[in-house]
Amino acid sequence: EAGVAQSPRYKIIEKRQSVAFWCNPISGHATLYWYQQILGQGPKLLIQFQNNGVVDDSQLPKDRFSAERLKGVDSTLKIQPAKLEDSAVYLCASSLHGTVLGYTFGSGTRLTVV
Amino acid sequence: GQNIDQPTEMTATEGAIVQINCTYQTSGFNGLFWYQQHAGEAPTFLSYNVLDGLEEKGRFSSFLSRSKGYSYLLLKELQMKDSASYLCAVRDREGGATNKLIFGTGTLLAVQP
Repeated sequence: EAGVAQSPRYKIIEKRQSVAFWCNPISGHATLYWYQQILGQGPKLLIQFQNNGVVDDSQLPKDRFSAERLKGVDSTLKIQPAKLEDSAVYLCASSLHGTVLGYTFGSGTRLTVV
Repeated sequence: GQNIDQPTEMTATEGAIVQINCTYQTSGFNGLFWYQQHAGEAPTFLSYNVLDGLEEKGRFSSFLSRSKGYSYLLLKELQMKDSASYLCAVRDREGGATNKLIFGTGTLLAVQP
């Protein structure tokens, strides 16, 4: 089966600019997650979708971050405006509900804010 | 709340055995995962424990003690390609959200010749 697709692979922007990341999960995976991984740290959950509904966005900085999963398939994560501390890898993952195999991660988008 | 602790860095020798420990505190424990992450790549699944005991998969084994909030990942016959970050993650049902993984900061393992 095809994996989790993410784009772009890399992005460099100036602070206060906007940026958007795209994720297409594995076909049939109802649950989709966005994680932020700062260099040297473990991934931190930003938002979890079940189909097109938000299950958990408690750690999403809602003043600047937004995410949507229209039609319950692919998803976009947006940052507006970006700050220097947003420099990180943004990982998208998907899972079948209840799977014991955890997630399948995409390759991530490496964001550098200068 | 949730808390996951693991050592920041470890060094081991090729061909040796290394044990990476992980302790956790969580209110809605529903399984523990180990992931391997090479530099610049996405995490990949290694193992899963939900009951106490040892799960063995080739050169890799993972142990869980739920009463102690403790797990370890054991890597045998180390190879240079095992140099990577190893992430401990707990699946948590807190707040009613199932299948949410909470990750530790990862242990960076360096395998030396």
